[in-house]
Amino acid sequence: QELLQESGPGLVKPSQTLSLTCTVSWGSVNSPFFYWTWIRQAAGERLEWIGRVDSSGNTNYNPSLRSRVSISVDTAKNQFSLNVNSVTAADTALYYCARGRWELQGHFYYYYLDVWGKGTMVTVSS
Amino acid sequence: EIVLTQSPGTLSLSPGEGATLSCRASQIVSSTYLAWYHHKPGQAPRLLIYGASSRATGIPDRFSGGGSGTDFTLTISSLEPEDFGVYFCYQFGRSPQGSSFGGGTKVEMK
Repeated sequence: QELLQESGPGLVKPSQTLSLTCTVSWGSVNSPFFYWTWIRQAAGERLEWIGRVDSSGNTNYNPSLRSRVSISVDTAKNQFSLNVNSVTAADTALYYCARGRWELQGHFYYYYLDVWGKGTMVTVSS
Repeated sequence: EIVLTQSPGTLSLSPGEGATLSCRASQIVSSTYLAWYHHKPGQAPRLLIYGASSRATGIPDRFSGGGSGTDFTLTISSLEPEDFGVYFCYQFGRSPQGSSFGGGTKVEMK
C-alpha cells in the first residue's frame, strides 16, 4: 500500500478546474510535524513546486500559480486536495503529492519532503 | 524564486564508478533546507539526503552530501545497478518565494 496516493481525472477541458486528491495512508494530516505539498512536472521540464498546506490550513503557493491554485486538507478523510482553475494546455503534467516534514535539531530547523506519491498524469485537452 | 542549477545534465558511468553531482543556487540557501532525491520512471522519488548532508533512514553510506551557501554536492562513492536514474535537489523556501527544484542529473549506464 502506497503511503501517498494521488487520484483524480486524467483529462480536463481547457478553462475548467483541475481537481486532485492525495490520500494519506500513514500518518495524519492533522500532525503538526508535517506539511502537505503538490508538485508537477510537464514533459521535458523540471519539477515545479505548486504549493503546500499545513495541519492548521495555512497555505503557501508558487507566485506564478497563486491566482489559480488552492490547496486544502480534509481531516475526516485524511486527505489533501489541489484545485487549479482556468486550466490551459500548459497545465498538462504529471502531478505529485508529497509529505513535508520539519524537525528541530539543536538550534536548527530542518525542512524536507520525505515521502512522495507515484504521481498522476493530467492532460488538458478538449 | 531561488533557481537551482544542476550539473552535469547527464553522467554516463559503469557500476562501481563514483559520481559527483552539483546543485548551485541563485541565492544563499540554508543548509538545513536543502535535500537530494533519486527518481526512477514510474516510481515515487526517494529521499536520499536532507539538511545538505544527513542521510535519510535506510540510505546506504555510499551516498553523501555536502556544501553550503550556494554550492551543494551529492557524491555516490561506488555505483550499484539500482542507483541509475535521475537525481534532483530541492530547497525549502518560505513565503513569498516558496520552494524549488533543480533540473536534475541523469545518471545512465555506460
